[in-house]
This record gives sequence, C-alpha cells and structure tokens, in this order.
Amino acid sequence: KAGVTQTPRYLIKTRGQQVTLSCSPISGHRSVSWYQQTPGQGLQFLFEYFSETQRNKGNFPGRFSGRQFSNSRSEMNVSTLELGDSALYLCASSLEGASGNTIYFGEGSWLTVV
Amino acid sequence: GQNIDQPTEMTATEGAIVQINCTYQTSGFNGLFWYQQHAGEAPTFLSYNVLDGLEEKGRFSSFLSRSKGYSYLLLKELQMKDSASYLCASYSNYQLIWGAGTKLIIKP
Repeated sequence: KAGVTQTPRYLIKTRGQQVTLSCSPISGHRSVSWYQQTPGQGLQFLFEYFSETQRNKGNFPGRFSGRQFSNSRSEMNVSTLELGDSALYLCASSLEGASGNTIYFGEGSWLTVV
Repeated sequence: GQNIDQPTEMTATEGAIVQINCTYQTSGFNGLFWYQQHAGEAPTFLSYNVLDGLEEKGRFSSFLSRSKGYSYLLLKELQMKDSASYLCASYSNYQLIWGAGTKLIIKP
C-alpha cells in the first residue's frame, strides 16, 4: 500500500512569509502527527490530529497551526516565518495513534527560510 | 520534566556488535520506540518495548528496564548499510518524546 506522502519535498521561503505543508497518510490511518527536525535537536512534536480533531499539541508558538480533513489528509501552516523555522518537517501516520501502534513517517518537507 | 538522552555519535567496525543506549525520564511512561533514519530519508520503525527484557529481531535487539529508565538497541554483525541515525522515543502520556538521535558510523 502507498506510504505517507508529503508535499512539497523542498521549498525556500522568505522571512515573514507563510507556508503550508501537506500530508496524505496511509489509507485507513486516522492519526496524523507533525514533527520538526533540526540537526542536534531531534524530533520536536508539533501536534497530532485524529478524526479531524487536534488531540495533542507540542510547545510551539501559535504561528504553527494545522488541520485534518475528513479523508485524514492533513496540512500544517506556519505564518510569519522566521529564520529558525528552517528545518525538516515530518508527518507521521498511524491507525489510532502511537499507543503501541507503529507510526509511519513520510519523507518530509525541507523548509529553508532566507 | 521530560528528558531523553542518547549518545550523539558512535563509531563501530563492520562485522562487529554495537550497543546504543537511551535513558529517559518521562512521566506516564507506556513504552519505548526505536527508529532508524538514514540521511535524507524518513525514520523507519525498528522496535517497540513495553515490558522489561530483551526482544530480538534478527540482527537487531532492543532491551528495556522500566525501573531504571533505560533502554538499549543492540546491532550485531554490522553492515555498512547500518550507518544511520538511531532515534529512541518514549511513549508517555499519549505523546512521543524523542531523543536527539545517535549517529552510527560504520567503518570497514
């Protein structure tokens, strides 16, 4: 079956702009989580959506937001981009969430803010 | 607070054995994940430990001690393709808390 698909794979934005990233989970998976990955910092949890509802949220400012659609596809948005937002943004899907279920990652969206 | 520690980098020789340690201090602990991530690629699932003890899967084994807040990933018969980052994550209070990852370098 198809894996987790993230678009776009690479993008460059200017400080102050906003960006929207998209994630299509594995068919049948209802949980989608978003992570920011920077060198040396590991994966930082942004938020998790389940059945169109935000179920968990990490410690990121309100500039980071997300949503999930009825087909489980998810988007995350970052407004007023800062240089420090440059990172790999990973989406992960699972059936019900991480509670003992394997989570599957997409290949990520590389965001560079200049 | 929530904290996960693992070594930043390790080097090992092809054919040898290496153990990557992970210590955690997280409340509401449920289990411990290990993922492998090759450079420029998505993390891929290796193991999930809930109970104390060693679980073996081919060349890879993972150990958990809940009382000590400690886990390790054991890689045997190392191959060049095992060069990657290894991420441990604690599943606690319905959230995954990730370590910064251990970069494993395999030398011929």
